[in-house]
Parts: sequence; C-alpha cells; structure tokens
Amino acid sequence: GNSVTQMEGPVTLSEEAFLTINCTYTATGYPSLFWYVQYPGEGLQLLLKATKADDKGSNKGFEATYRKETTSFHLEKGSVQVSDSAVYFCALSPTGFQKLVFGTGTRLLVSP
Amino acid sequence: DTGVSQNPRHKITKRGQNVTFRCDPISEHNRLYWYRQTLGQGPEFLTYFQNEAQLEKSRLLSDRFSAERPKGSFSTLEIQRTEQGDSAMYLCASSLAPGGRTFYEQYFGPGTRLTVT
Repeated sequence: GNSVTQMEGPVTLSEEAFLTINCTYTATGYPSLFWYVQYPGEGLQLLLKATKADDKGSNKGFEATYRKETTSFHLEKGSVQVSDSAVYFCALSPTGFQKLVFGTGTRLLVSP
Repeated sequence: DTGVSQNPRHKITKRGQNVTFRCDPISEHNRLYWYRQTLGQGPEFLTYFQNEAQLEKSRLLSDRFSAERPKGSFSTLEIQRTEQGDSAMYLCASSLAPGGRTFYEQYFGPGTRLTVT
C-alpha cells in the first residue's frame, strides 16, 4: 500500500539553526511528493512539491529532493526563524489518484 | 477569493445524534475533497467529488457517513448515529483540475472539530 513515515517531534531548534525533517515513503508507481505546513490556528498550506525523481521542490527557503533510490523526501532549511514554528506534514499522491496520503506530522518549535 | 470555508468550526454532540458539516470551496474549483484528522495523526482521505459526481470513497467512509455536492458547489458531510470514535477534525479541500491523471494543488479549509460525548 501507500504510506508515509516522518520523524517524530517535537523538533526544538534555536533561531538560525539548520533544519532537517526526515520523510520516507512506500508507494507503487511514481507518486508525487509534497510538504504541507500547518501554522497554529490555520489550515494546511502547500509548502513545496516534487513530481518526479531527482526533482527539487523549494519555497520560502525550504527545500526537499525526491530521492527514488532511498524513497525519501527530507525537508531542509538552512536557517530557521521563530515564524517557522508549525507542524509539517509529508504527503504523497499515488500515481493516477487524486487523494493525498499524509504522514503523522512533525512539530517544529523555534526559540529566539 | 476568500479561500475554502467550513461551518461550523466546532461541534459538540452526544453519541447517537446526527451531525452535518458544510464546506464551501474556492469558487470555480471543480474538485472537492474530505479528509479526517485525529489527534496526533495526519489527515486521512475520505472522499472526493468532481463537480457533483462522487468519484472515490475510502473504506474509512462507513455506511453512517454520507457526502453530497448537489450542484457542484458547496458540499455537506453527514454522520448518522455518531460514535465517540468519530471525534476528529474534518477537513475540506478544493482544487481546480481540468481532468486526467495529473495531481493539482489542493487548498484546505480550517476544518470542523467534532467532539462526540
């Protein structure tokens, strides 16, 4: 079946630290991969996406590379800010389907 | 464009009662999705519509659940004879998709939090 596994949180960092949130997936075919972010009190927002192997998605200083050989899509940011504190969800869309399959989410807490 | 809206934002009901939630998608979006999110978990897909047609339903959508999108605009999700296990956040999303197998970005609403006592 299709599933997403991401690291448990919370991840606690100081401002300007380097961020990595690990995400691995299991899927048949060639899924599209996504990172969504949920800020406190708000709905899920698409942060970045990649639709084929070796694609790099990027947005707001965040990056993730679609690695088919390791079935991974790790989220990285070089220097986090307090405003990045949120819950981050890794997700995939199975080939030919319209639904999203989400991981359990990772809470990021950034302190000044 | 005011985004996806959901009503009510919170609902507390007693076990055995029926509840109905409403989702208003972004205008002109032809696809509408429902997801359920329990505490500490990611959202789980329930069903989706293209215009007024319900094209896919998850096995999570038991017989007590029914979703409609009668005119291809807003949608309702009804839960009959609620159980404590139905307590969750119910999320709605919409997308504008011309068709085919390509995935198009889904825009999420703020959700309706259901508590069954």
